[in-house]
Amino acid sequence: DAGVTQSPTHLIKTRGQQVTLRCSPKSGHDTVSWYQQALGQGPQFIFQYYEEEERQRGNFPDRFSGHQFPNYSSELNVNALLLGDSALYLCASSRQGGNEQFFGPGTRLTVL
Amino acid sequence: QKEVEQDPGPLSVPEGAIVSLNCTYSNSAFQYFMWYRQYSRKGPELLMYTYSSGNKEDGRFTAQVDKSSKYISLFIRDSQPSDSATYLCAFRIQGAQKLVFGQGTRLTINP
Repeated sequence: DAGVTQSPTHLIKTRGQQVTLRCSPKSGHDTVSWYQQALGQGPQFIFQYYEEEERQRGNFPDRFSGHQFPNYSSELNVNALLLGDSALYLCASSRQGGNEQFFGPGTRLTVL
Repeated sequence: QKEVEQDPGPLSVPEGAIVSLNCTYSNSAFQYFMWYRQYSRKGPELLMYTYSSGNKEDGRFTAQVDKSSKYISLFIRDSQPSDSATYLCAFRIQGAQKLVFGQGTRLTINP
């Protein structure tokens, strides 16, 4: 049983560019949440998708947007990249109403 | 005041020692309490999950929750070098999927 997978593993972009990160949830899971983890910090909640809709959002600007597909996979898009967007981006999947979230290995984004 | 306070360490102990990791929180609405382990350059891995005050044991790990003091702990017995990682406490409100994390404590177990 494959766990949560994310792609790409690493990404380097320059300021002002746009980036798309991808996530496939654990088998049987229908809910995907995205987190940003800066170096030396705990993950910060960006938003959650269920039934192809954004259900809950953290304190992140509109430059951060997402999408969920009918197969429950998800994308995170970040526009107009800033140096401060450099971080590990984590995807977590769960069953709607479930109590446990399982994390993927993350995508490390570096903005130069 | 931060919603969650966790001492970032680093914490270094000899192999076989008992390790105590702690978090305090201020949000009374938190009803679910978790500990995650994160190895370097990896995603967090769920270690322990509980929703009530008291102790929960799983092998060498014991999670303790004191809701009246808004304080949670993770104890690791007979610590091993493979336990060297960053330990994150996490909290959730009932009805919400958002997890609120502490900063993480970096732990090293020395052989």
